[in-house]
Amino acid sequence: GAVVSQHPSRVICKSGTSVKIECRSLDFQATTMFWYRQFPKKSLMLMATSNEGSKATYEQGVEKDKFLINHASLTLSTLTVTSAHPEDSSFYICSASGRDRGTDTQYFGPGTRLTVL
Amino acid sequence: AQSVAQPEDQVNVAEGNPLTVKCTYSVSGNPYLFWYVQYPNRGLQFLLKYITGDNLVKGSYGFEAEFNKSQTSFHLKKPSALVSDSALYFCAVAGTGGFKTIFGAGTRLFVKA
Repeated sequence: GAVVSQHPSRVICKSGTSVKIECRSLDFQATTMFWYRQFPKKSLMLMATSNEGSKATYEQGVEKDKFLINHASLTLSTLTVTSAHPEDSSFYICSASGRDRGTDTQYFGPGTRLTVL
Repeated sequence: AQSVAQPEDQVNVAEGNPLTVKCTYSVSGNPYLFWYVQYPNRGLQFLLKYITGDNLVKGSYGFEAEFNKSQTSFHLKKPSALVSDSALYFCAVAGTGGFKTIFGAGTRLFVKA
C-alpha cells in the first residue's frame, strides 16, 4: 500500500502555544489530504479536506482559525493547532488520496498524539 | 445523508474460529465501502474496498467482505482468526466518486488463544 508519514508522533506543549503537525505522502502524489481527530475509544472525526494548492474545506464545528491547514505541495500538508488548550489534546490522523493510487481510497498516517498541559 | 453503523462494540472469538465483524450502511447512489484496521496508537491501515464488481471482496491478511445490496451490509469476515488480528476495525462508506468518507464507530476484535 501507499506510505503516509506524520511528524511528530507525539508532542507535549504548554497551553497557549502553537503546534505544527506534518503529513507527507512518501511514494505517491496526494491530490487530496484529510485531517481527522480521534477521541479515546471513539471513531474518527473528519476535521477538514484539502486539495493541493487550494484552501481547505472545514467540517461544521471546526474552527478554521484555530486549526490551520496548508497543502502547499502534492506530498505535504500541515495542520497547525494555534493557541492550543488542554481540550485540544487528542490523536490527530491525516490521510491522503491520489490519482495514481485511486482517488477513492485513503491511506493513513500513523497519527500524532497531542497533549496540551 | 450517508451513514454507516457497526452494531457491535466488541467481538470475541477463539483463535482458529471464523470471525465476522458487522457493518451496515446508508448512502444515496452506488456506495464505495471500505474496511480499515487500527492497532493501538497507530493510524488506520487499509484492508479492502468494494467499488463495483464481485460482491465478495478479498483483502489483506486473509480478510474478505461481502457486499449485500438488499441488506445494505458489508460484513468483514475471516475463515480462521489469529491472535494478531486483535485490533479495532472500522467500516467506512463514501458516496459516488469516493468522496466524503464516513467512518463507523469501530468494533474491537479480541481473539483469544
